[in-house]
Amino acid sequence: GENVEQHPSTLSVQEGDSAVIKCTYSDSASNYFPWYKQELGKGPQLIIDIRSNVGEKKDQRIAVTLNKTAKHFSLHITETQPEDSAVYFCAASKAGYSSASKIIFGSGTRLSIRP
Amino acid sequence: DTEVTQTPKHLVMGMTNKKSLKCEQHMGHRAMYWYKQKAKKPPELMFVYSYEKLSINESVPSRFSPECPNSSLLNLHLHALQPEDSALYLCASSQLDGFGEPLHFGNGTRLTVT
Repeated sequence: GENVEQHPSTLSVQEGDSAVIKCTYSDSASNYFPWYKQELGKGPQLIIDIRSNVGEKKDQRIAVTLNKTAKHFSLHITETQPEDSAVYFCAASKAGYSSASKIIFGSGTRLSIRP
Repeated sequence: DTEVTQTPKHLVMGMTNKKSLKCEQHMGHRAMYWYKQKAKKPPELMFVYSYEKLSINESVPSRFSPECPNSSLLNLHLHALQPEDSALYLCASSQLDGFGEPLHFGNGTRLTVT
């Protein structure tokens, strides 16, 4: 089955600097890669996603890149702000509706923004 | 604020109690999910309902019983739980069925089993 590895597990950056979180996946059939942000006491919220027919996607300060050949994808946050502090999960899934297609989450990255 | 509403926010129950968790969404989404999240871990899938029918059960113990009364509501009935079942229980929905769709999570119910 699919396996998603996420690094680093913790990341501390100075406010205004950039943060990068990296994930690798094992199943070449995976074609949907969402990123979720989970703040303390809240549920995960989708912040950006990318499908396998696209190499890069950007939404204001957040961007995701996908390398299908290497089976890895990354989240880039520029000009970090205190409200970016949270746990970030990458995930991978494929088309279909069975346990074999279910979303597999990475282990999470705790991002802290230093003032 | 999240568009998936979960109640209660917190629940403490003994191992002999029966309780229910409730989830509601009014986005017209056709798929609804229950996830379990332990501290410092990612969410783990428990159940999936598609068009109000149970489509996936991830081998969850029978002490957890899901119910989907209508397209907007999802319940999780709890009975004879164990202390290790203490966790954050998250409800989610997606517009279409199939896992290649964005999930909309609620803020969860923090369950403590004593």
